[in-house]
Amino acid sequence: GAVVSQHPSWVICKSGTSVKIECRSLDFQATTMFWYRQFPKQSLMLMATSNEGSKATYEQGVEKDKFLINHASLTLSTLTVTSAHPEDSSFYICSARGRTGYEQYFGPGTRLTVT
Amino acid sequence: DAKTTQPPSMDCAEGRAANLPCNHSTISGNEYVYWYRQIHSQGPQYIIHGLKNNETNEMASLIITEDRKSSTLILPHATLRDTAVYYCIVRFLPTGNQFYFGTGTSLTVIP
Repeated sequence: GAVVSQHPSWVICKSGTSVKIECRSLDFQATTMFWYRQFPKQSLMLMATSNEGSKATYEQGVEKDKFLINHASLTLSTLTVTSAHPEDSSFYICSARGRTGYEQYFGPGTRLTVT
Repeated sequence: DAKTTQPPSMDCAEGRAANLPCNHSTISGNEYVYWYRQIHSQGPQYIIHGLKNNETNEMASLIITEDRKSSTLILPHATLRDTAVYYCIVRFLPTGNQFYFGTGTSLTVIP
């Protein structure tokens, strides 16, 4: 089956620094990827839709200048949390749209802790 | 925005069938019903999806009412490894790509 990986699986950074999270589709090409954020004991919240070769589309209330998304190839999308603050600590999950559009495959998630 | 309503939690005895309900009363004719589950601190895992007809795969069965306003996910023989949060999602295809997750049902399988 289709596999989506994320790197790193967990990261700790200091307040004010930036951190990059990678999302890769390992055995298929994904023209569209998605980024979610999940706080403890809450559901997944869609942050943005990432299309290869074009600008990401952000959900209402998500700061595009704080959460930079780059989808430079058909197998890689990156999310950069800029000037991270403790309130950005969360579980970040990416997903990739399958070839037919019916499928969506999720990565294992990245736990970000900002100290 | 999520268009589904699910009970927040359910228990099921190991080996018994787990029936997880979902209400999607505002679903439109072109929207599919998807089920995913999320085991603690992992990414969501696809279970099954359907449009009108009942569906079955190796993991579960999906029963959709005739008016499509509700559905039930059935895990025929629940095991301890099925303990997870189960999300019911409606999604428009082919133009709709996004999944909007609701609050889900936390299923606990009891030995």
